Amino acid sequence: GQNIDQPTEMTATEGAIVQINCTYQTSGFNGLFWYQQHAGEAPTFLSYNVLDGLEEKGRFSSFLSRSKGYSYLLLKELQMKDSASYLCAPTDEGSQGNLIFGKGTKLSVKP
Amino acid sequence: GAGVSQSPSNKVTEKGKDVELRCDPISGHTALYWYRQSLGQGLEFLIYFQGNSAPDKSGLPSDRFSAERTGGSVSTLTIQRTQQEDSAVYLCASSPLTPGTRAFFGQGTRLTVV
Repeated sequence: GQNIDQPTEMTATEGAIVQINCTYQTSGFNGLFWYQQHAGEAPTFLSYNVLDGLEEKGRFSSFLSRSKGYSYLLLKELQMKDSASYLCAPTDEGSQGNLIFGKGTKLSVKP
Repeated sequence: GAGVSQSPSNKVTEKGKDVELRCDPISGHTALYWYRQSLGQGLEFLIYFQGNSAPDKSGLPSDRFSAERTGGSVSTLTIQRTQQEDSAVYLCASSPLTPGTRAFFGQGTRLTVV
């Protein structure tokens, strides 16, 4: 199984940069997903990392360090619509593709 | 269909009654997941179907909860003798199960037990 730790809530200002951290422990590792969930909506895929390093995708980037059991999601040029929960989901080899999420980080973007 | 479809979208039931929630995954997706989400909380894993393998039922909270997946496609989550604490949004997702591919979520069923 996985132990997944994310901050519960974060607040940031429109136009700023915010980093959302996720630490995890897995028995084996098979990649890590980040999902975004707006209030009252279904989660949607943001990124997948399987190798160490930073993957950039527009305003959003995701970083992974397998040796440290650590990932972060970096959101640049924050917009009000980025207010949402961000869910980290590391996958392990033993779970055969099962997708277990952390409790999520609720991000509030203020004007 | 183009996406994961769940029905009903809303369900109000009386305490003690049984309910069935349905999930139609994306055609060809071999993996299917059920989650429960209480208001303001995270996604609680319930059960995971992977192809023809035995499902991972480790997240089911009690023996009142069961799920099946017929013909590797449609899935039904059944809650027997519903309790007020079962009130939540039940989300279903499916994926092709190729490593690194994303899961797609349905819009969920909002269950209210009164």
